Amino acid sequence: NAGVTQTPKFRVLKTGQSMTLLCAQDMNHEYMYWYRQDPGMGLRLIHYSVGEGTTAKGEVPDGYNVSRLKKQNFLLGLESAAPSQTSVYFCASRPRIETSQGLAGSSYEQYFGPGTRLTVT
Amino acid sequence: GENVEQHPSTLSVQEGDSAVIKCTYSDSASNYFPWYKQELGKGPQLIIDIRSNVGEKKDQRIAVTLNKTAKHFSLHITETQPEDSAVYFCAASTGYSSASKIIFGSGTRLSIRP
Repeated sequence: NAGVTQTPKFRVLKTGQSMTLLCAQDMNHEYMYWYRQDPGMGLRLIHYSVGEGTTAKGEVPDGYNVSRLKKQNFLLGLESAAPSQTSVYFCASRPRIETSQGLAGSSYEQYFGPGTRLTVT
Repeated sequence: GENVEQHPSTLSVQEGDSAVIKCTYSDSASNYFPWYKQELGKGPQLIIDIRSNVGEKKDQRIAVTLNKTAKHFSLHITETQPEDSAVYFCAASTGYSSASKIIFGSGTRLSIRP
């Protein structure tokens, strides 16, 4: 059981290049998230998905696109990379919890991948 | 929208002493408050969480307290050990609805001095 994995671990891009970050989870989780982490700013949500075939915008979606064609995979795309997108990117997933289970005290823990360090020059 | 502020940004304590990290939130509808620990080169990992119907929760050397009236919550680590050195994030969420987006604080880098 690998949990949440991310590919690649590191990448350097030139301004204007494109790339796709892959997140995969083997826990059969419905919800998946993409965050970026910048010094002094914590984790900010880029996009998220509540199920296969669905995506939604988070706090900082501009310049990114996502797709969730398979339940276990969540892809983050940069069509035209900019230096402002230099960051560490984390993917996370968690199971959907029904309201009754939530009230009973189930955890809403998000499981994070190891991160992708992206530098745009 | 929700805003979470976290203090201090860095904290250094002697091994064996206690460490306290404090957070405030702005959205009174928030009802779930997790704390994540991030070790160097790894993704964040949940260490403890608390819901708004509880004022305090303990798990061995870690405890969280929540003051809903003042909209602040704190992480307390007692008898600190070298392996407690990491970056800690507080967060707030409106709970189980939809995707329950979590808003994170800016993080506290905790260093344990031997």
